[in-house]
Amino acid sequence: GAVVSQHPSRVICKSGTSVKIECRSLDFQATTMFWYRQFPKKSLMLMATSNEGSKATYEQGVEKDKFLINHASLTLSTLTVTSAHPEDSSFYICSAGGLAGHNEQYFGPGTRLTVT
Amino acid sequence: GQNIDQPTEMTATEGAIVQINCTYQTSGFNGLFWYQQHAGEAPTFLSYNVLDGLEEKGRFSSFLSRSKGYSYLLLKELQMKDSASYLCASLDSNYQLIWGAGTKLIIKP
Repeated sequence: GAVVSQHPSRVICKSGTSVKIECRSLDFQATTMFWYRQFPKKSLMLMATSNEGSKATYEQGVEKDKFLINHASLTLSTLTVTSAHPEDSSFYICSAGGLAGHNEQYFGPGTRLTVT
Repeated sequence: GQNIDQPTEMTATEGAIVQINCTYQTSGFNGLFWYQQHAGEAPTFLSYNVLDGLEEKGRFSSFLSRSKGYSYLLLKELQMKDSASYLCASLDSNYQLIWGAGTKLIIKP
């Protein structure tokens, strides 16, 4: 149990375009979803925390107008990178929490974004 | 401030034992996680400790000392597939994970 999927796994887009990444909890209801980005050989950097039905809480330094997060249901959260630039190229990982009795976060497989 | 410290890189031999240490300073504490991350992949859960002591799970064990702000991950009978980064993360009072930078473990034949 506790499977999280992420789509797409890889995406290449041109500068100035927008990209949407979906994160789904497949077999449990995730009250909270987290979005991370990770640069090569670096640890995870939390971008934002989203709770179903409310606005996401962004970490300091993360532009909420650039990284739009929507958590419309207990099984789906989306991250949209708007007006992408090459420096947005990164590995984006979502995780879901909220499984009763567990503090653990369950990670999706990640999305490799390359902006050309 | 909040801080997680773990070694950047370690090297061990196939079949041997390795211990990866982690020290933490966080605002409140609700447990300590260890995750394994292979290159290009998302982290996968290894262990969770919230009480002092050793938790054993097959070849992997995790230890926690809350009074010392210290944890370690012990890997026995190392296999080549254990080559990965091992991330230590502390769950703070807001139930937010504070991540270490990860320890890259290199296994040599």
